Amino acid sequence: QQQVKQSPQSLIVQKGGISIINCAYENTAFDYFPWYQQFPGKGPALLIAIRPDVSEKKEGRFTISFNKSAKQFSLHIMDSQPGDSATYFCAASGGRSNYQLIWGAGTKLIIKP
Amino acid sequence: KAGVTQTPRYLIKTRGQQVTLSCSPISGHRSVSWYQQTPGQGLQFLFEYFSETQRNKGNFPGRFSGRQFSNSRSEMNVSTLELGDSALYLCASSLGSTAGGPLHFGNGTRLTVT
Repeated sequence: QQQVKQSPQSLIVQKGGISIINCAYENTAFDYFPWYQQFPGKGPALLIAIRPDVSEKKEGRFTISFNKSAKQFSLHIMDSQPGDSATYFCAASGGRSNYQLIWGAGTKLIIKP
Repeated sequence: KAGVTQTPRYLIKTRGQQVTLSCSPISGHRSVSWYQQTPGQGLQFLFEYFSETQRNKGNFPGRFSGRQFSNSRSEMNVSTLELGDSALYLCASSLGSTAGGPLHFGNGTRLTVT
């Protein structure tokens, strides 16, 4: 029940296209859903995060869509650029006393010029 | 503000040895978490320290241990190294006072066990 399942494992998108990465969770106590971006040789960095009181959050070309009833959330990258090529991790945490993030397995995204 | 600093960046050890990795969090951050990252295994949570106390622990053997000092700096120790311990070890800091805050990662220590 603590798992976060992320798909696909890898993704190749043409420059200018839309990249979509999906995550599913089981624990209904989760109330914080961040996405992290990791470039080679670097640690992950927070990209965008959402809480379940909204169904969508947009920051520039990056959008999180959240479906509470389906227990799914996804990252959409509009107008994907070669500089977006990185590994993306979704995560979740929740419960009043649970500070630990549960991580998805990661998606390696390659944007072809 | 300086970011999270991990030292050393690279380390080569022999099977059976022990190793200590260091992490200096962002100033003012009281929580430090450690992760192991291997190709195909994603981010595996090791443990988290908050105000010098271990608050959460992942499913790793007792050979993996850590501690946090009063200035929030943290160390991770791995004893009796095995070949499978070769990985990128990441440290992340956060304010840690409430659930659901951003983690700030260092660039990791790349450990190779031969």
